[in-house]
Amino acid sequence: AQTVTQSQPEMSVQEAETVTLSCTYDTSENNYYLFWYKQPPSRQMILVIRQEAYKQQNATENRFSVNFQKAAKSFSLKISDSQLGDTAMYFCAFKYNNDMRFGAGTRLTVKP
Amino acid sequence: GAVVSQHPSRVICKSGTSVKIECRSLDFQATTMFWYRQFPKKSLMLMATSNEGSKATYEQGVEKDKFLINHASLTLSTLTVTSAHPEDSSFYICSASAGGRTYEQYFGPGTRLTVT
Repeated sequence: AQTVTQSQPEMSVQEAETVTLSCTYDTSENNYYLFWYKQPPSRQMILVIRQEAYKQQNATENRFSVNFQKAAKSFSLKISDSQLGDTAMYFCAFKYNNDMRFGAGTRLTVKP
Repeated sequence: GAVVSQHPSRVICKSGTSVKIECRSLDFQATTMFWYRQFPKKSLMLMATSNEGSKATYEQGVEKDKFLINHASLTLSTLTVTSAHPEDSSFYICSASAGGRTYEQYFGPGTRLTVT
């Protein structure tokens, strides 16, 4: 079974600074998808970024980028120029076929 | 992006009663729908996966007779919590996939269930 580990329960960052959230996973599959979701206090899950495992190039979406290390099974999220609105829970997720599994989450607080 | 709605957003029911939660894909056909449960400050735990017209596949430890899932159409899935107990109080989130590009999965806003 696939497992996803987020080892940082809580993190904080100053506004405008950069922060990196860690995620590792365990799988024997080769073709899969990785995601970072943001869950603000409204609890609506919002897709931040996704990465196809067959792509070597790291995905980027504006201020959000990932460092995907397939051999190490690592998938970290970098948030640049942090904004107050980035304060939320962040979940790393692994998906193979129709099975999506989530990490325990990291609570990120952006401080003014 | 695609929109998934849930109704109701909040519900309070008494112990022993049943409550139904609806999940709708508003602008796409959802061949597969997923139901998750989230405890406070915890992650999302997959409860079951359902394909339109088929019986749901439940995760280990999830009672299928207690959490009835129906996926009768390509735009609607329902989760019925039968004979609810206070320990069933939780946040329930549905998600839908249109199939094809299997990574596309859209989440509803969630339903907070409180059993008194």
